[in-house]
Amino acid sequence: QVQLVQSGAEVKKPGASVKVSCKASGYSFAAYHMHWVRQAPGQGLEWMGWINPNSGVTNYAQKFQGRVTMTRDTSISTAYMEVSRVISDDTAVYYCARMVTTSTDRWFDPWGQGTLVTVSS
Amino acid sequence: QSVLTQPPSASGTPGQRVTISCSGSYSNIGSTNVNWYQQLPGTAPKLLIYSNDQRPSGVPDRFSGSKSGTSASLAISGLQSEDEADYYCAAWDDSLNGPVFGGGTKLTVL
Repeated sequence: QVQLVQSGAEVKKPGASVKVSCKASGYSFAAYHMHWVRQAPGQGLEWMGWINPNSGVTNYAQKFQGRVTMTRDTSISTAYMEVSRVISDDTAVYYCARMVTTSTDRWFDPWGQGTLVTVSS
Repeated sequence: QSVLTQPPSASGTPGQRVTISCSGSYSNIGSTNVNWYQQLPGTAPKLLIYSNDQRPSGVPDRFSGSKSGTSASLAISGLQSEDEADYYCAAWDDSLNGPVFGGGTKLTVL
């Protein structure tokens, strides 16, 4: 079955970088854009950006440009999302999600299980 | 401040029908289809409705979606205790080249 499995929880000090991985299985990894969405404690969903695993082309939400880097390793069907210079407001659960695209529509299915990133001094 | 507007909370008793609204603009809901995600407590979001009114395999037909103009709605009939969750609407926004989400609606089954 189609599945996304993310790396484990992280605790980082302010100013550090954190890198989260998302391993895909059950489908052709290169055929679907991978998006990243985060959710701060008790808050809603916030879209961060996407990567085209086939070409490596990325598109980041304006808020995260310059601080977020999305990469992939097609040999192991894994996408990565790195946030640099983290601050306390970056404390959140980070999700990867596969985007299914048709000629007229697009949606996320499935989502990874989430990775909790805690920023604390 | 989310781009799409949802009520923060909704509630109903078992067996009742509840609806959750989602309001947007021409650049998102008005131009594309709406999806709904269900997030049970402590878990990742899950696709509930796609393309305004389509249910993925395994989603009960108690869940239905609709869209009109720049607004959409999620209806849940025959409410059950296991429906207690957060519900998010989402739509693609061409100006962002990415999706926008509603702020989420917390559904309580009384």
